[in-house]
Amino acid sequence: EVQLLESGGGLRQTGESQRLSCAASGFTFSSYAMSWVRQAPGKGLEWVSVIGGSGSRTYYGDSVRGRFTISRDNSRSTLYLQMNSLRDDDTALYYCAKGSSGSYFSVFDYWGQGIQVTVSS
Amino acid sequence: QSVLTQPPSASGTPGQRVAISCSGASSNIGNNIVSWYKQLPGTAPKLLLYSTNQRPSGVPDRFSGSKSGTSASLAISGLQFEDEADYYCGAWDDSLNGWVFGGGTKLTVL
Repeated sequence: EVQLLESGGGLRQTGESQRLSCAASGFTFSSYAMSWVRQAPGKGLEWVSVIGGSGSRTYYGDSVRGRFTISRDNSRSTLYLQMNSLRDDDTALYYCAKGSSGSYFSVFDYWGQGIQVTVSS
Repeated sequence: QSVLTQPPSASGTPGQRVAISCSGASSNIGNNIVSWYKQLPGTAPKLLLYSTNQRPSGVPDRFSGSKSGTSASLAISGLQFEDEADYYCGAWDDSLNGWVFGGGTKLTVL
């Protein structure tokens, strides 16, 4: 059974940093692309970033490029999102999502339950 | 403002057929796979359809999809109360080099 468990959320002040983790199990982690998708309170889904299965390719949404860094540790089956220079509008529920293949453009076939990040000035 | 455009709401009565549209551009829907996600209140999204009209195991065949040019559509036949949820379309965008989603459609079963 595929499981994705996010951790590392919480309350931060504007300008601070935070690192999210997503522990994966139930599949061969290194074979699949992984993404972060966020959802602000009462809003729709916003894609944040994707990393290919090998970790060599990464892409970012315009609102986070240059501030956030996605990475993965295939030996630990764990996905990370390093978030720097946090802004109020980064406040959201952050989901870890598994790609259906190793390609960065594969669809999101499993999602974690999400972790709340709140940024306050 | 979402890159993909969906109606904010849709509704139907049990047993009816409802369609939700998703409009995009050649760089996303026109050139790439469209996927649909269902989100019940307070829960994570779930993959509903991919490659326009492929269903993951466990998704009933009441759900179907189509694509024409730069638009896609999700159809739900034999509407049930459990179908009441938010529905999102998504696709990779070659110009943005990233995923884009629609703003979501809230489906109400009356």
